[in-house]
Amino acid sequence: GNSVTQMEGPVTLSEEAFLTINCTYTATGYPSLFWYVQYPGEGLQLLLKATKADDKGSNKGFEATYRKETTSFHLEKGSVQVSDSAVYFCALRALNAGNMLTFGGGTRLMVKP
Amino acid sequence: NAGVTQTPKFRVLKTGQSMTLLCAQDMNHEYMYWYRQDPGMGLRLIHYSVGEGTTAKGEVPDGYNVSRLKKQNFLLGLESAAPSQTSVYFCASSLGDTTYEQYFGPGTRLTVT
Repeated sequence: GNSVTQMEGPVTLSEEAFLTINCTYTATGYPSLFWYVQYPGEGLQLLLKATKADDKGSNKGFEATYRKETTSFHLEKGSVQVSDSAVYFCALRALNAGNMLTFGGGTRLMVKP
Repeated sequence: NAGVTQTPKFRVLKTGQSMTLLCAQDMNHEYMYWYRQDPGMGLRLIHYSVGEGTTAKGEVPDGYNVSRLKKQNFLLGLESAAPSQTSVYFCASSLGDTTYEQYFGPGTRLTVT
């Protein structure tokens, strides 16, 4: 079946540090890949997405590149801010799954001033 | 434009009690979803609907029922609550299969004692 694996958190960084959150997936064919962010007390928001191999999704300084050869979609940001503190979820939508998403377990990021 | 709203925000039930969670969206979306979020497990799809009057099972449907009598509302019912149903429940909606972005509500925290 389809699955998404994320690095376990929490990830604690100082402001302006470089961020990487690893995400790997298992799926047949070429799924679409997503990063969602959940701020404290809120629902999930789409952060970025990529729909085919080698695509790079980007938003708010975050980037992730769809790597078919390594089945990965790692999230990166060059300089994190305190306001980036949240839980980040990697997700996929398989070709044969309609509009259903498969989520990873989430990674909590804490950024200290 | 409120987006996706959920009622109630918090609830405590005793084992065996029943309740209904309400999800409402004002974006005229066709698809609606119910997820549960448990620590370290990401979000798992309970049930979903592809239009008014339709429902379908997701990954973890046992112990839950749903109804979509009106396009804007999606109800999740627990007929006989169990401690294993203690979780945070999220509703989401999407325009349909021409776009993959799902918009999430703020969640309902349910505790079953």
